[in-house]
Amino acid sequence: DVKVTQSSRYLVKRTGEKVFLECVQDMDHENMFWYRQDPGLGLRLIYFSYDVKMKEKGDIPEGYSVSREKKERFSLILESASTNQTSMYLCASLRGPSSGNTIYFGEGSWLTVV
Amino acid sequence: GENVEQHPSTLSVQEGDSAVIKCTYSDSASNYFPWYKQELGKRPQLIIDIRSNVGEKKDQRIAVTLNKTAKHFSLHITETQPEDSAVYFCAASKGGSYIPTFGRGTSLIVHP
Repeated sequence: DVKVTQSSRYLVKRTGEKVFLECVQDMDHENMFWYRQDPGLGLRLIYFSYDVKMKEKGDIPEGYSVSREKKERFSLILESASTNQTSMYLCASLRGPSSGNTIYFGEGSWLTVV
Repeated sequence: GENVEQHPSTLSVQEGDSAVIKCTYSDSASNYFPWYKQELGKRPQLIIDIRSNVGEKKDQRIAVTLNKTAKHFSLHITETQPEDSAVYFCAASKGGSYIPTFGRGTSLIVHP
């Protein structure tokens, strides 16, 4: 059974704190993604990575950075958390490069910034 | 880049009715169109997909249709049940830029 695991399901952080969201996949997928999900706005891509140490900006990268030191692990970093970053964050992985492959999501990390 | 529009944003039906969710895409090179279901508090999961060389695909009570000329595809759910209540996302992707572009989602509510 394929697995994308997000280590933190629920977090409450203070404004200005540095926040790390960790994601691990066990499918040897080349591509990993971080999405943000907000009601009415769907899934918005923050960053993605197509290989170790490689990263590309998505649609809403401002205020975020990422790290991919190992193929199976992709981390999302909020350098200085703000209240408008309160959201649900979804990690995903995808075998590539080719169209027609299924993207697998983690369970999500609910982040509240107070 | 690709743009995927999804309608309606909310759909409320009675148990046993049919439900239809529609998506349009902008890039004629897109060739893969998956649909994901996200139950409350859970991860989105693939329920059905279609490739551009096929016009329709069925899996029990769900079906997807694709009109390449008009660049739209639809999800059809027949004989809806309360457990079909969820948010449904459509997506489009293509070879060479395989990253899926998602629609904004449709919240389907099935009333018993």
